[in-house]
Amino acid sequence: DAGVIQSPRHEVTEMGQEVTLRCKPISGHNSLFWYRQTMMRGLELLIYFNNNVPIDDSGMPEDRFSAKMPNASFSTLKIQPSEPRDSAVYFCASTSHPGASTDTQYFGPGTRLTVL
Amino acid sequence: AQSVTQLDSQVPVFEEAPVELRCNYSSSVSVYLFWYVQYPNQGLQLLLKYLSGSTLVKGINGFEAEFNKSQTSFHLRKPSVHISDTAEYFCAVSDEGSGNTGKLIFGQGTTLQVKP
Repeated sequence: DAGVIQSPRHEVTEMGQEVTLRCKPISGHNSLFWYRQTMMRGLELLIYFNNNVPIDDSGMPEDRFSAKMPNASFSTLKIQPSEPRDSAVYFCASTSHPGASTDTQYFGPGTRLTVL
Repeated sequence: AQSVTQLDSQVPVFEEAPVELRCNYSSSVSVYLFWYVQYPNQGLQLLLKYLSGSTLVKGINGFEAEFNKSQTSFHLRKPSVHISDTAEYFCAVSDEGSGNTGKLIFGQGTTLQVKP
C-alpha cells in the first residue's frame, strides 16, 4: 500500500492567495483527519470525516478554512485568503476503525505551507 | 475535557544510555493511549498503544511504555538508545467514550536528542 498521500509536499504562496491541500487516504479507510503542526501550538486537529461526512470541525481556526471529502479516496483543505499565520505543516491521517481497539491513525508525510 | 501533558520538551541523552519520556493525561473516562514518533521531515508513525490488559506495552524499535492508572501516566522507555532514535515523540489519548470517532488529543511533543 502506498500509504496516505499528500500533495503538494511544499507550498509557498503570497498572503491573500487561495491554497488547496490534497489528501488521498489509504484505500479502505473510512475516517480521515486533518491536522496542523506549528512550533507554537503543536499538533492540532482541524477537522475529521467519517464515511465522507464531516463529524467535527471545531478545530478549524476560522471561516477562511474549509475542508471537503467528495469521495472515499480524496479530501481537500482550502485556505482562502491565506495569511502568514497559516504557515505550518498540515498533516492528513486516515484510519479504518475509529474508536475500535484496532484503531491506528496512519499519517501522510505532510504539506509544508509558507505564506509570505 | 481530556488533555495530555508531556513534561519535557527536550531530552538530551548519550547513545546507548537509557531514556524515559514522560506523559501524563487527564480524562474522566477510560482511554486508549498512544505514542507516535516523528522523524525529521516525515509524518507521524505509531510506536505503540495501550488499549487494555497488561499495563506494560511493547512497541517497535525496542520501545516500551507502562500504563499507570493511579498516576494517570503513560511513560515511554528504551533501555539503550541509538543515534537513529533522534526524533520528536508524541503522546496521545483517544477517548473510549468519544462515540467511536477515534479522535486523538496529542501532547506538545518531546524532542529526543541522542548524542554520540
